[in-house]
Amino acid sequence: QVHLVESGGGVVQPGRSLRLSCAASGFTFRNYGMHWVRQAPDKGLEWVAIISYDGVNKYYADSVKGRLTISRDNSKNTLYLQVNSLRIEDTAVYFCAKETDESYDRKAFDVWGRGTMVTVSS
Amino acid sequence: SSELTQDPAVSVALGQTVRITCQGDSLRTYYANWYQQKPGQAPTLVIFGRYKRPSGIPDRFSGSNSGNTASLTITGARAEDDADYYCNSRDNSGDRYVFGTGTRVTVL
Repeated sequence: QVHLVESGGGVVQPGRSLRLSCAASGFTFRNYGMHWVRQAPDKGLEWVAIISYDGVNKYYADSVKGRLTISRDNSKNTLYLQVNSLRIEDTAVYFCAKETDESYDRKAFDVWGRGTMVTVSS
Repeated sequence: SSELTQDPAVSVALGQTVRITCQGDSLRTYYANWYQQKPGQAPTLVIFGRYKRPSGIPDRFSGSNSGNTASLTITGARAEDDADYYCNSRDNSGDRYVFGTGTRVTVL
């Protein structure tokens, strides 16, 4: 069964850093691009970052560029998100999601984890 | 960057049909996907590549597109379809992605 499980969230003070993890199982992790998506309390979904299947290509939303780093370890079937200089507005549930193997213009997110909550508060 | 705009909320009577729209320039180039999200849960993909349904998604869900507008139609709405729905696609850069603003669907 295909599974994604996020971890690493918690309550953090502004300005601090956090690393989120996403453990994958049930599929060949190294073959798929992976994403992070976040959702602030009572708000909509916000795409955050993508990493290609081999870790070479990474892209970020403009709102987080420079503070967040996406990475992966294909030997451990794990996706990461390093969040630095945390701000109040980074408070959200962070989901990892697997990309479909559709063509470039049809990519979607077909498997999602349950999310990990990050609360930035002093 | 680019934006995808959705109506904030729509309601539909049980058994009736509702259409949700998503507007954005990127939809002229890239296919729209649709996700259903219920409170406290992760999103679920219901339509991808404009009109395809993942396995397990009922055929009452359908997708279409015209120009810069994508649509999700629920034909014969059921109580369990009461949820938030989001569209998404690549943005105008092609390297990044964007989600729509979301539509709250209430089944009466």
